[in-house]
Amino acid sequence: EAGVTQSPTHLIKTRGQQATLRCSPISGHTSVYWYQQALGLGLQFLLWYDEGEERNRGNFPPRFSGRQFPNYSSELNVNALELEDSALYLCASSPSATSGGGDTQYFGPGTRLTVL
Amino acid sequence: AQSVSQHNHHVILSEAASLELGCNYSYGGTVNLFWYVQYPGQHLQLLLKYFSGDPLVKGIKGFEAEFIKSKFSFNLRKPSVQWSDTAEYFCAVLLKNTGGFKTIFGAGTRLFVKA
Repeated sequence: EAGVTQSPTHLIKTRGQQATLRCSPISGHTSVYWYQQALGLGLQFLLWYDEGEERNRGNFPPRFSGRQFPNYSSELNVNALELEDSALYLCASSPSATSGGGDTQYFGPGTRLTVL
Repeated sequence: AQSVSQHNHHVILSEAASLELGCNYSYGGTVNLFWYVQYPGQHLQLLLKYFSGDPLVKGIKGFEAEFIKSKFSFNLRKPSVQWSDTAEYFCAVLLKNTGGFKTIFGAGTRLFVKA
């Protein structure tokens, strides 16, 4: 069974540009989570999508946005990039959290975003 | 505000030493608790989890954790570490409220085990 996949592996952008990161969940999983892992800060929750809808978002500005497609894959968009957006962005998936909750999250390898 | 605190950012141990990594959370409602591990060059993966029942849970590779509700703690333990346990360990708390679910991760603890 394929795990969570993310693309691209690395992304280099300059300040002010936009970045798009992609995530494909494990087959059968409908929940997708996005996290930012900046150096020394652990994982910061960004967004949670379930069944195509945004269910929750963390304390990030509106320039961080995303969506979930009918096949449950997801995109994270970061507009007007700033230097401090440089981080590893992790995607995780789980079975539908709204049908019970508490399911383990399965993580992808991440996308390393570097903003110059 | 809800938060998860991991007391040690870096831990260095010799092989066969005992390990205890602290994790405390601040939230008075229903929680599910997790420890995840990230080995060098690998994805984050689940080490163990607590949803309900026996507060002492056992995970993979000889790890265990104890949920002490009165202390809002979920400390990770292993009686005898191995060099292969060198990794970063993250405590995570899934909060449940009327607004839905939210998972908060601690900042992580980097463990280095000397051979």
